[in-house]
Amino acid sequence: GQQVMQIPQYQHVQEGEDFTTYCNSSTTLSNIQWYKQRPGGHPVFLIQLVKSGEVKKQKRLTFQFGEAKKNSSLHITATQTTDVGTYFCAVISSGSARQLTFGSGTQLTVLP
Amino acid sequence: DGGITQSPKYLFRKEGQNVTLSCEQNLNHDAMYWYRQDPGQGLRLIYYSQIVNDFQKGDIAEGYSVSREKKESFPLTVTSAQKNPTAFYLCASKSHGHTGELFFGEGSRLTVL
Repeated sequence: GQQVMQIPQYQHVQEGEDFTTYCNSSTTLSNIQWYKQRPGGHPVFLIQLVKSGEVKKQKRLTFQFGEAKKNSSLHITATQTTDVGTYFCAVISSGSARQLTFGSGTQLTVLP
Repeated sequence: DGGITQSPKYLFRKEGQNVTLSCEQNLNHDAMYWYRQDPGQGLRLIYYSQIVNDFQKGDIAEGYSVSREKKESFPLTVTSAQKNPTAFYLCASKSHGHTGELFFGEGSRLTVL
């Protein structure tokens, strides 16, 4: 399946600080999805990016897809304790297999 | 409410025993998936099915088996051949098309004693 590298693996921030996680691929991606998994919970879909250079916002969350469609980022402005969890990127393999491959995730801890 | 139901939520088994995890969805989704998640790690694909009576191996299928006799159901059997079965198992489904979002169940946590 498609391989994606996600960094950092862990991130601790003080409440109110910003946070960014990155996903990188060696090959061009058709699209990329982002999911959030709260501690003890299951992944929940956040967004999908398809177009080169695409930027989407959801309140304090900003998602970007690189111009070359090989990298993506999720940025959270002014983190809150409700942002705690693990953020995963996921990409769909090319061809007809339609497998969704997940990055290793970035575990975010927000200190009050 | 529409969604995905996994059962049991917690399961303990002895070494050498097979165990079957249930996954049922009422979202009328064609595709269903099983992922395994180990502590602090990402999700790895075990098996997936795009249509009834058809399924494909994922990246870590060894020691697992599945069936897809009904559109709504995609049970996963963890066999005794799986060397390290203790993990969190997540079932997911997706509507037709390869760009749709995945909807996940709440997961089943299997512990082998």
